[in-house]
Amino acid sequence: QSVLTQPPSASGTPGQRVTISCSGSSSNIGSNTVNWYQQLPGTAPKLLIYSNNQRPSGVPDRFSGSKSGTSASLAISGLQSEDEADYYCAAWDDSLNGFWVFGGGTKLTVL
Amino acid sequence: EVQLVESGGVVVQPGGSLRLSCAASGFTFDDYTMHWVRQAPGKGLEWVSLISWDGGSTYYADSVKGRFTISRDNSKNSLYLQMNSLRTEDTALYYCAKDGVVRGVTEYFQHWGQGTLVTVSS
Repeated sequence: QSVLTQPPSASGTPGQRVTISCSGSSSNIGSNTVNWYQQLPGTAPKLLIYSNNQRPSGVPDRFSGSKSGTSASLAISGLQSEDEADYYCAAWDDSLNGFWVFGGGTKLTVL
Repeated sequence: EVQLVESGGVVVQPGGSLRLSCAASGFTFDDYTMHWVRQAPGKGLEWVSLISWDGGSTYYADSVKGRFTISRDNSKNSLYLQMNSLRTEDTALYYCAKDGVVRGVTEYFQHWGQGTLVTVSS
């Protein structure tokens, strides 16, 4: 099981707003920023959100991130069919010598 | 344009060794921490290791500590992963990833390669 907890699946219809949660602990999300990655079917992951709520250039503003305490969320508004993908949260964990941890991933289906 | 091209993935027997390579271009390689991240078939992402921009710091996931060694050659813009004592559970697509912070430790995986497949099987 993954250190960060995400729901395994989420769904929505075109135009809807969906959110994906990511729960961690004081040693990871509680003390470091959260990043989100999108993995379209058959492709490499792509950075979607970094530093909790920053979008790299080229990422539509339909995607937004937030963090509170030891949890984070990714919101997708105006859902489109091309948003169907796996989404992963990640954070640095300060325990032991330090290491990166991922959530187990959430498969988003656009109905 | 940033490009990361992994190579070296093959089928190897349990207990065997393998070295993966990642050729980088399109950015100043020796300014950035580099990572290896893997994905077992049908599974999620698992971070494997990182090496700082100057090679002075390395970190490993517990699952590979003592068996894998990350290294880089800044003169060749290349990243490596020496994998020893391979196990069936090491079977995965291995991605090379560039960090997003200049001459820092690590902040996020900004760019990813397409991956190279390692299969550990008898």
